[in-house]
Amino acid sequence: EAQVTQNPRYLITVTGKKLTVTCSQNMNHEYMSWYRQDPGLGLRQIYYSMNVEVTDKGDVPEGYKVSRKEKRNFPLILESPSPNQTSLYFCASRDRDSMNTEAFFGQGTRLTVV
Amino acid sequence: GESVGLHLPTLSVQEGDNSIINCAYSNSASDYFIWYKQESGKGPQFIIDIRSNMDKRQGQRVTVLLNKTVKHLSLQIAATQPGDSAVYFCAEKRGSARQLTFGSGTQLTVLP
Repeated sequence: EAQVTQNPRYLITVTGKKLTVTCSQNMNHEYMSWYRQDPGLGLRQIYYSMNVEVTDKGDVPEGYKVSRKEKRNFPLILESPSPNQTSLYFCASRDRDSMNTEAFFGQGTRLTVV
Repeated sequence: GESVGLHLPTLSVQEGDNSIINCAYSNSASDYFIWYKQESGKGPQFIIDIRSNMDKRQGQRVTVLLNKTVKHLSLQIAATQPGDSAVYFCAEKRGSARQLTFGSGTQLTVLP
């Protein structure tokens, strides 16, 4: 089954404690991205990756890092989380061969930073 | 500034009626549009897409209409069912841009 898998689904952490949210896709997609979803603001892109070792900032990259060492994985790293990063996070992947294609989303990670 | 927005944040319809969810966009360079459905506790799911060289596209119980003159996109759901209750997002891709830009969403509630 084609899917994007995120872990964990829920996470409560304290300010300043580094965390990583993992994302893996099994569709051999080249393009992967991270979004955060906040009430009234919709989905905003944090970072995206066009391929292995190629990453770029989205609309709201501050406070986040990503890496793309393998095609299937695209972890999101919060080096020093702050309460304003409390949000619902989604990883997505797309087939780069045709950029006019839909993105497949993971189930989401609800992060609370206290 | 550029935006992808929705006319109404909430929409309630009777079961069996047709639903129309609207979306406005401001960038003339946008050439690809997608509608997503997001159920509570889940990630967005693709419903239907349309390219800017088309005015209309139909799927199973859904139709997307694109009016490039007024930069307006709509999603029509026929014979709305309780399972259609969700938040619906439109998203656009702007020309050579690699990103999808999402609107803020419309909450559709189907009344019994």
